[in-house]
Amino acid sequence: QQQVKQSPQSLIVQKGGISIINCAYENTAFDYFPWYQQFPGKGPALLIAIRPDVSEKKEGRFTISFNKSAKQFSLHIMDSQPGDSATYFCAAVSGNTPLVFGKGTRLSVIA
Amino acid sequence: NAGVTQTPKFRVLKTGQSMTLLCAQDMNHEYMYWYRQDPGMGLRLIHYSVGEGTTAKGEVPDGYNVSRLKKQNFLLGLESAAPSQTSVYFCASWVGNANTGELFFGEGSRLTVL
Repeated sequence: QQQVKQSPQSLIVQKGGISIINCAYENTAFDYFPWYQQFPGKGPALLIAIRPDVSEKKEGRFTISFNKSAKQFSLHIMDSQPGDSATYFCAAVSGNTPLVFGKGTRLSVIA
Repeated sequence: NAGVTQTPKFRVLKTGQSMTLLCAQDMNHEYMYWYRQDPGMGLRLIHYSVGEGTTAKGEVPDGYNVSRLKKQNFLLGLESAAPSQTSVYFCASWVGNANTGELFFGEGSRLTVL
């Protein structure tokens, strides 16, 4: 059973455009929602994270929007750059249990 | 400060052979994890450990064994490798404090089973 559903599987965005990746979850016990970024040949690294007591968190060009009632959260990348081309994973966790990852989105930003 | 180090980075095995992947972390983290990454499947948890001497099964544990004899090391073993175990394996560690949920990943170990 996939606990975190991520879409789209792949995304192509023009340089300067907005990239949007969506995730949905079922387990209402989840209390931490991170996004990880992975470049080819590297391990994933934490990009940005949010807790359910806020609806939005922004760090530079990256913003998480969180909708608790809909059990959905999304990553927005503003002014997307070729250097943002990577695979992005959403995840969710409850307390000390292992993170549950979405299946990933491969983002390509083209000039 | 190396973070999380995985060895080896690449390995080719024949079906039925055995091998061990080593993960070492120098951050004094309590929790350690082994994931496998396959195209279109995301990151799937194989086994994890919440402290020295402890291990637990994840989502896809069959065909793998693990040991955590020292806090800084987490070993993943394949007793009889199968082609279905061809994958990229990632180790990760976590401090274990619920106030910070950041996992630190190694750079991966690419395993091919012929």
